[in-house]
Amino acid sequence: RKEVEQDPGPFNVPEGATVAFNCTYSNSASQSFFWYRQDCRKEPKLLMSVYSSGNEDGRFTAQLNRASQYISLLIRDSKLSDSATYLCVVISSNTGKLIFGQGTTLQVKP
Amino acid sequence: DTEVTQTPKHLVMGMTNKKSLKCEQHMGHRAMYWYKQKAKKPPELMFVYSYEKLSINESVPSRFSPECPNSSLLNLHLHALQPEDSALYLCASSQERRWARGSDEQFFGPGTRLTVL
Repeated sequence: RKEVEQDPGPFNVPEGATVAFNCTYSNSASQSFFWYRQDCRKEPKLLMSVYSSGNEDGRFTAQLNRASQYISLLIRDSKLSDSATYLCVVISSNTGKLIFGQGTTLQVKP
Repeated sequence: DTEVTQTPKHLVMGMTNKKSLKCEQHMGHRAMYWYKQKAKKPPELMFVYSYEKLSINESVPSRFSPECPNSSLLNLHLHALQPEDSALYLCASSQERRWARGSDEQFFGPGTRLTVL
């Protein structure tokens, strides 16, 4: 079983749609969680940190469920510019390394 | 300034060449990283420097040789590479390796796209 698992998609949604991505992690001792966004042939960029209390940044909401060991990202009112690959990232509590999920591809269509 | 810079943006080299990739950050970060990313795959960690000392080497072949001249700079020296080493090489930095106490976001540079002929 992979340490961090994501549905690779692709998710094809119309503009204005709400879309949700989930990610599961296997190490219950993991402490830090992030969503990164990566555009084609570009570097990953930090989108949001994820906290147990949940956090929201405009149209984006991230949630952490420690009991079930999953992280979610909700995007409301999707824009064409949201098309990208979204990487779920967990910091290993043992080594401090970033453990990446495989990424979920989102394609927002007009 | 929340920027990590990398040079060159693109590099084409033969299997007998020696080249170097460079990375720089001026955010006062004390941890710096090299990653390799193949198409449609997530980044794979290669090396971690913490306070200018190599702290993690992910069993990377010796044809890749990292160097950290100071806290702002990170180099990756390349020698006798193979075509399968062609990839996007990403540098990242983070404030310090204090993962046990919470978030430790990494900031990535734009990468060097390497092609080995």
